[in-house]
Amino acid sequence: KQEVTQIPAALSVPEGENLVLNCSFTDSAIYNLQWFRQDPGKGLTSLLLIQSSQREQTSGRLNASLDKSSGRSTLYIAASQPGDSATYLCAVGGETSGSRLTFGEGTQLTVNP
Amino acid sequence: NAGVMQNPRHLVRRRGQEARLRCSPMKGHSHVYWYRQLPEEGLKFMVYLQKENIIDESGMPKERFSAEFPKEGPSILRIQQVVRGDSAAYFCASSPLAGTDTQYFGPGTRLTVL
Repeated sequence: KQEVTQIPAALSVPEGENLVLNCSFTDSAIYNLQWFRQDPGKGLTSLLLIQSSQREQTSGRLNASLDKSSGRSTLYIAASQPGDSATYLCAVGGETSGSRLTFGEGTQLTVNP
Repeated sequence: NAGVMQNPRHLVRRRGQEARLRCSPMKGHSHVYWYRQLPEEGLKFMVYLQKENIIDESGMPKERFSAEFPKEGPSILRIQQVVRGDSAAYFCASSPLAGTDTQYFGPGTRLTVL
């Protein structure tokens, strides 16, 4: 059974700082890995999708890496802004079923002005 | 292209009533997934459907819960005889292809059982 862990559970940083969010998963047989952002009381916004054959993806100030063999992914946020404050969720897609996502419990990020 | 739509956004039911949650996938998407987020917990997979077919319902509680995705119209998640423990946010996601593509999430339906 796939288990996804995110560290830290909460993070508070001053504006402008670069930061790294960590995600680990127990079963390396994954199809893809997705990072989402969730604002309080809202739905999920997809940030980056990494296929199992890829090592990283970049979008603006965000960079996500994937090391499938060690069961790890990181989300790097450069030059953080108060608007980045949200909960960040890591989710892995299972190989056999192909579609279901297994989520971590998230990292709650606060960027202070 | 409108995003994934869910309604209602908020639903209040008394114990024993039925709850019907609707999800309209993005245009051109034929794969729908339902997830549940209990208070202070992460999202958990419930069911994966394609048009007129349930592909994977391994996350669905065995009793009181059912889901459908008819040929025409939205996907429906139905909860019969709701209990307080059903109070949660229910999210629907859609994708055009299974496994390879991003899942796009709707805003969720927040169910409160009194």
